[in-house]
Amino acid sequence: NAGVTQTPKFQVLKTGQSMTLQCAQDMNHEYMSWYRQDPGMGLRLIHYSVGAGITDQGEVPNGYNVSRSTTEDFPLRLLSAAPSQTSVYFCASSATSGGYQETQYFGPGTRLLVL
Amino acid sequence: EDQVTQSPEALRLQEGESSSLNCSYTVSGLRGLFWYRQDPGKGPEFLFTLYSAGEEKEKERLKATLTKKESFLHITAPKPEDSATYLCAVQAKGNTPLVFGKGTRLSVIA
Repeated sequence: NAGVTQTPKFQVLKTGQSMTLQCAQDMNHEYMSWYRQDPGMGLRLIHYSVGAGITDQGEVPNGYNVSRSTTEDFPLRLLSAAPSQTSVYFCASSATSGGYQETQYFGPGTRLLVL
Repeated sequence: EDQVTQSPEALRLQEGESSSLNCSYTVSGLRGLFWYRQDPGKGPEFLFTLYSAGEEKEKERLKATLTKKESFLHITAPKPEDSATYLCAVQAKGNTPLVFGKGTRLSVIA
């Protein structure tokens, strides 16, 4: 089991560029989430998905787009990068029980710098 | 609104000096409380889940406890390798997403 994988590990973008952060999991988890982590702010939820074809907004969704066409993959798209999106991005997945998230497993993160 | 507050923000201990980290929460019906450890440059790593007041769980030098308003992560005789940021998260009944605290950065000095 590779667990949760994220690519790339590090990316530099110019303001206005778009890109997709990839996330994949091989644990057959239904629930997947994207977080950003900034100094002093903790983990903030961007978008999440409770299963293929279903996505919802978290605390800080503006400027980001997601889709979930398969159970395994949950890409995060930056539509037009801004310096405020400089952050470390984590993807996480979890099984569900009775409709609830169980333990979340996190990927290694993607460090994004927007100039 | 569900809230999680962790204290202290940072803690510096000598090797062998036991202490506790605090996670206070406000939630409309707790379904579960989670503790994670995060090393620099890595993703959070799961430690414990607690579901009801009075519950305790242990792993090596760590013990997590839960009351109706807070959770403690007790560290007994810490070693330098216990240095990390410890994150607490709560899940409310009603299946809302987890809410994370900002973490406690622990440094254990040899």
